[in-house]
Amino acid sequence: DSGVTQTPKHLITATGQRVTLRCSPRSGDLSVYWYQQSLDQGLQFLIQYYNGEERAKGNILERFSAQQFPDLHSELNLSSLELGDSALYFCASSSQPGGSEQYFGPGTRLTVT
Amino acid sequence: GQQLNQSPQSMFIQEGEDVSMNCTSSSIFNTWLWYKQDPGEGPVLLIALYKAGELTSNGRLTAQFGITRKDSFLNISASIPSDVGIYFCAGPISDRGSTLGRLYFGRGTQLTVWP
Repeated sequence: DSGVTQTPKHLITATGQRVTLRCSPRSGDLSVYWYQQSLDQGLQFLIQYYNGEERAKGNILERFSAQQFPDLHSELNLSSLELGDSALYFCASSSQPGGSEQYFGPGTRLTVT
Repeated sequence: GQQLNQSPQSMFIQEGEDVSMNCTSSSIFNTWLWYKQDPGEGPVLLIALYKAGELTSNGRLTAQFGITRKDSFLNISASIPSDVGIYFCAGPISDRGSTLGRLYFGRGTQLTVWP
C-alpha cells in the first residue's frame, strides 16, 4: 500500500459527459502528479501540483483540468469525454516539488462508451 | 519528447532463473527509477538510482545506473511466480540542473514466470 488513495476505482460514462477523479496523497507529501495510461501511449504525465499551485503541465488536453485543495487532495476533471479518453488514470505523490521518487495510487479505470 | 526504450518487450522464464532487462535513452538522466506494475494496480517503486555507476539492491533485485547516464539495468535473481508483472524504467527530466519532477516512462518489460 503506497499510502496514495484514489476514488473511484472504476468509472463508466458516456461520450460528452464530465467526470471528476479524486486523489489523496501520502501523508506529508505536498506534490501531486496525474498520469494517464493507455495501451497505445503508455504512461503519460498530465499535470503536477505542489502545495496547491500548478507546477508543471504535460500532455493534458484543454478539456481536462485539475486542482489541489488546501488539504492537499487533488481532483482531475475530464469533460466532453470522448471514446479515446478511456484509460487508467493514476495519481502519484512525492514530498518535494522535483521529487523523483513518486508513489502511485491504485488508479481509476475510466471507460467511455 | 523524451523516449525511454526498454528491452526486451516481454520475457518468458522458468522459476528460479535470473532475469535481466535494460532501458536506454537518447538524453542524459540524473535519476533512474524502476517500477513494477501488477494487473489493475498502480506502479510500485522498486529502486531509485541517483549517481552514474551506482549499483543498488532491493532483495533479489539489483539495478545499475549506467556510466553514460543514458541507460540503466535491472536484474532479478532466482525468479519466483510473484515476480510476474510489467517492469517500467522511468526518469525525470531536468532543466538547468534542476529536476522538474515529471517522469518519463519506458513502455515496460512484461515478465512471465513459469512454475
